[in-house]
Amino acid sequence: NAGVTQTPKFQVLKTGQSMTLQCAQDMNHNSMYWYRQDPGMGLRLIYYSASEGTTDKGEVPNGYNVSRLNKREFSLRLESAAPSQTSVYFCASSEGRDYEQYFGPGTRLTVT
Amino acid sequence: QKEVEQNSGPLSVPEGAIASLNCTYSDRGSQSFFWYRQYSGKSPELIMSIYSNGDKEDGRFTAQLNKASQYVSLLIRDSQPSDSATYLCAPRNLYSSASKIIFGSGTRLSIRP
Repeated sequence: NAGVTQTPKFQVLKTGQSMTLQCAQDMNHNSMYWYRQDPGMGLRLIYYSASEGTTDKGEVPNGYNVSRLNKREFSLRLESAAPSQTSVYFCASSEGRDYEQYFGPGTRLTVT
Repeated sequence: QKEVEQNSGPLSVPEGAIASLNCTYSDRGSQSFFWYRQYSGKSPELIMSIYSNGDKEDGRFTAQLNKASQYVSLLIRDSQPSDSATYLCAPRNLYSSASKIIFGSGTRLSIRP
């Protein structure tokens, strides 16, 4: 089992460019999450999906959109990247909201 | 008051000693509590979960929960250099909004030889 996979591992964007971060899990989990982690700020939830076809905004959703394509995949889209979106992005999955989360390896994004 | 508070550290502990990491939370409806370990440049990984008041032991790790005081702690016995990492506290309330799915900022632990 690969667990949670994320692509790409690294990305550099110019301000205004768009991109999609991909996440997939093979643990048959219902819930999936997108976080960003900035130095001194800890992990902050961007979007949450309780199940296929549902998404909810987390603490910092502005500037992002998500798609829960099926039970396995949950993508995060930046429509017009800004330097403030420079961060490390983690995808995670869990059986449910009150279960432990399993994290992907992260995507290190720099917006210049 | 932050919703989840942890001392950022660094907490420096000699090898072989007990490391004590603390976390307070504001949501009284929290039912599940998780401790994650994150090595520098890596993703978080679960090390302990606790759901009831009292202590839960797993190897060298003990989680302690006191819901009345809204306090959860993690003890690491016989600390090893490999325990040097940042430890994140994560309380969970199944009935709160998604924006309340939060982690503490973490305590950086350094084990000195």
